[in-house]
Amino acid sequence: GAVVSQHPSRVICKSGTSVKIECRSLDFQATTMFWYRQFPKQSLMLMATSNEGSKATYEQGVEKDKFLINHASLTLSTLTVTSAHPEDSSFYICSARDVEQGNEKLFFGSGTQLSVL
Amino acid sequence: DAKTTQPTSMDCAEGRAANLPCNHSTISGNEYVYWYRQIHSQGPQYIIHGLKNNETNEMASLIITEDRKSSTLILPHATLRDTAVYYCIVRAYYNTDKLIFGTGTRLQVFP
Repeated sequence: GAVVSQHPSRVICKSGTSVKIECRSLDFQATTMFWYRQFPKQSLMLMATSNEGSKATYEQGVEKDKFLINHASLTLSTLTVTSAHPEDSSFYICSARDVEQGNEKLFFGSGTQLSVL
Repeated sequence: DAKTTQPTSMDCAEGRAANLPCNHSTISGNEYVYWYRQIHSQGPQYIIHGLKNNETNEMASLIITEDRKSSTLILPHATLRDTAVYYCIVRAYYNTDKLIFGTGTRLQVFP
């Protein structure tokens, strides 16, 4: 099946710094990628939809200036958590749709555990 | 997207079949039923999906009732590695790709 690579898997940063998370589709082109956030013992919450070559679409309540998303190519989307604070500590997961396989299923990265001190 | 209702948790003995139910009483005619699972600290893994017919693949079987208001995911021979949170999601097959996750069922497979 299609593979989505997410990097880094774990990051620890100081409060006030910015952190970039990369999401790559390794063997397919993804015109659309999705970013989710998950707090401990909770379900995944969709943050935004990342479209190649255009601005991301954010879900209600998600600050677009806080969570910068760039989807510059068909295989790479990045999420930058700007001026991170402890409340931003969470598990961030990306997903992508394999265009070749049609609109049937999404593939997920392995996630990034962000810890802000 | 239609909402789904799943039991919070279930147990299953290793080697036995695990039957995970899902209610989606407000599902629309163009909405598919998807199942994903998430093993601790990993990204969700696709299991299976279907529209109205029963489906089977190498991982599981999906049984959808005739009125499509509920479905059951069957893991025929559960192993310890099947311990995970299982999410039942309904999603339209048009204009939007996003998956909206509910709370899921935490399946614990015990020896």
